[in-house]
Amino acid sequence: AQTVTQSQPEMSVQEAETVTLSCTYDTSESNYYLFWYKQPPSRQMILVIRQEAYKQQNATENRFSVNFQKAAKSFSLKISDSQLGDTAMYFCAFMNPGGGGSQGNLIFGKGTKLSVKP
Amino acid sequence: KAGVTQTPRYLIKTRGQQVTLSCSPISGHRSVSWYQQTPGQGLQFLFEYFSETQRNKGNFPGRFSGRQFSNSRSEMNVSTLELGDSALYLCASSPGQALRYGYTFGSGTRLTVV
Repeated sequence: AQTVTQSQPEMSVQEAETVTLSCTYDTSESNYYLFWYKQPPSRQMILVIRQEAYKQQNATENRFSVNFQKAAKSFSLKISDSQLGDTAMYFCAFMNPGGGGSQGNLIFGKGTKLSVKP
Repeated sequence: KAGVTQTPRYLIKTRGQQVTLSCSPISGHRSVSWYQQTPGQGLQFLFEYFSETQRNKGNFPGRFSGRQFSNSRSEMNVSTLELGDSALYLCASSPGQALRYGYTFGSGTRLTVV
């Protein structure tokens, strides 16, 4: 079974600085998708960034970028120029797009609570 | 473009009762998934519906059920509520064929069982 591990329950960063959130996963699949979602106090899960496993290039979305190491099964999120609005829970998620009973559902890590301090 | 809408936002029920939660996906999205979020277990997949058919199901007891209507709106039902069913229930939608885009989530329904 696929698993996702986020080893940092809580992190804090000063405004305008850079922070990296860690995520590792376990799978025997070769084709899959990885996501980072953000959940602020409003509760809505917001997609931050996505990565397709067959793409070697790391995904980037404005201040957010990932370091995808397929062989190491690692998918870390880097937030540059941190802003107060980045304060939230961050969840790493894995999706197996293949057939079978697990097709299409997201498997989440336990989350990292990020606090951005002024 | 309207997002994923979940109703109600909050719900308090008594143990043993049943409850129905509603989810309206983004217009044009045919896949609707449900997740349960608790402090202890984190986010767990309940089930997914696509074109009115349950396509995928998580490891939850039969008290948890769902359905999808022809307009893609979905409901989930929990019968014989237990205290442990207290959770945030999140609905997510996607176009259905483009899994690489992930899912768009609603703001959830906070269910409290007393």
